[in-house]
Amino acid sequence: EDKVVQSPLSLVVHEGDTVTLNCSYEVTNFRSLLWYKQEKKAPTFLFMLTSSGIEKKSGRLSSILDKKELFSILNITATQTGDSAVYLCAVLKGSARQLTFGSGTQLTVLP
Amino acid sequence: DTEVTQTPKHLVMGMTNKKSLKCEQHMGHRAMYWYKQKAKKPPELMFVYSYEKLSINESVPSRFSPECPNSSLLNLHLHALQPEDSALYLCASSRPGQGPYEQYFGPGTRLTVT
Repeated sequence: EDKVVQSPLSLVVHEGDTVTLNCSYEVTNFRSLLWYKQEKKAPTFLFMLTSSGIEKKSGRLSSILDKKELFSILNITATQTGDSAVYLCAVLKGSARQLTFGSGTQLTVLP
Repeated sequence: DTEVTQTPKHLVMGMTNKKSLKCEQHMGHRAMYWYKQKAKKPPELMFVYSYEKLSINESVPSRFSPECPNSSLLNLHLHALQPEDSALYLCASSRPGQGPYEQYFGPGTRLTVT
């Protein structure tokens, strides 16, 4: 059975801290790994990682994939209260239409 | 423009009602999806349409009936739902082709079944 596991399940930090969120996966016919941020409603797309070892970066957020060890990390530096959200890791497999999500990491950034 | 719109935002319906959820995108995407998300849980895939044809049905009960009338529009028809069907229903879309391509989500419809 396919599995996408995120850790930690929740995290509370103070503004300015750096956080690392983890995602490990076991899926058949892996195509790519995606990170989303979900606040109140729609998950907002952050990154898609297909190749191992290539870092994707957007402002204070960055992510990298290790296809040998089957995991990815999402780093957020200099956190702000606006970063508070659930961060979802998801894997595309097979025909690249089926997105399987992990349970998410609830990040709370305190002022 | 990476916008997917969904209507209505909220819906309350009785178990004997028939209602429909609507999703629209104008990004030229030819793959569209329905997901169900319960509180404090991740989204779960329900249906996938590719080039307006149903390509994946994740063993969803027949009281949920999807429809893709054209490349921009996706509907989810609801009939004889149960209280446990109350959830956030998310629509998503992605580019056509072999991919892989990221999926863009709409804001969702919060459904309550009474």
